[in-house]
Amino acid sequence: GIQVEQSPPDLILQEGANSTLRCNFSDSVNNLQWFHQNPWGQLINLFYIPSGTKQNGRLSATTVATERYSLLYISSSQTTDSGVYFCAAKGAGGTSYGKLTFGQGTILTVHP
Amino acid sequence: KAGVTQTPRYLIKTRGQQVTLSCSPISGHRSVSWYQQTPGQGLQFLFEYFSETQRNKGNFPGRFSGRQFSNSRSEMNVSTLELGDSALYLCASSYILSGTDTQYFGPGTRLTVL
Repeated sequence: GIQVEQSPPDLILQEGANSTLRCNFSDSVNNLQWFHQNPWGQLINLFYIPSGTKQNGRLSATTVATERYSLLYISSSQTTDSGVYFCAAKGAGGTSYGKLTFGQGTILTVHP
Repeated sequence: KAGVTQTPRYLIKTRGQQVTLSCSPISGHRSVSWYQQTPGQGLQFLFEYFSETQRNKGNFPGRFSGRQFSNSRSEMNVSTLELGDSALYLCASSYILSGTDTQYFGPGTRLTVL
């Protein structure tokens, strides 16, 4: 099945700094999502982005499907951005339907 | 629209017992998937249901089972609990089966096996 790798595993920032999180995937995808996991465990949808670029406030994401990677940009980071960010993808081939394969996550810590 | 809901939110069981977790998808969503999250293995897919039929299954033993009802609500059951089953169990719903749309996750059920 598809493999999903995220980098860096840990990221420590000062409030106001910008950051880029990367997600590499091993095969063609027809579903790629970015999530933020809050301290209580819930996965909050950030982007559904199997290709192209999207922006939502201080966050934006770009997926270059032909090169099999996606980037999540966080600008002017705030302490509330702290948490774990996950990339998840579903391979375009086969019959795996809605099965998302998750990366190991990036732990982001933003200090005031 | 209300989001995905899961009950109970927290559960403590002992080894050998069985447990049933419940998930109500977003209204109109017909696909429900279950995932297990542990510190060691991360987030892993358990199974997916659509129109009351299991459509896909992950690599988990037969002790893990599920079902979906006609109103799209889903339950998962774990029998003969083991210590390693302690985890956060997350349910996700989406509108269609193909997986080419956004999956929305519930708040999870945190299961502790003693």
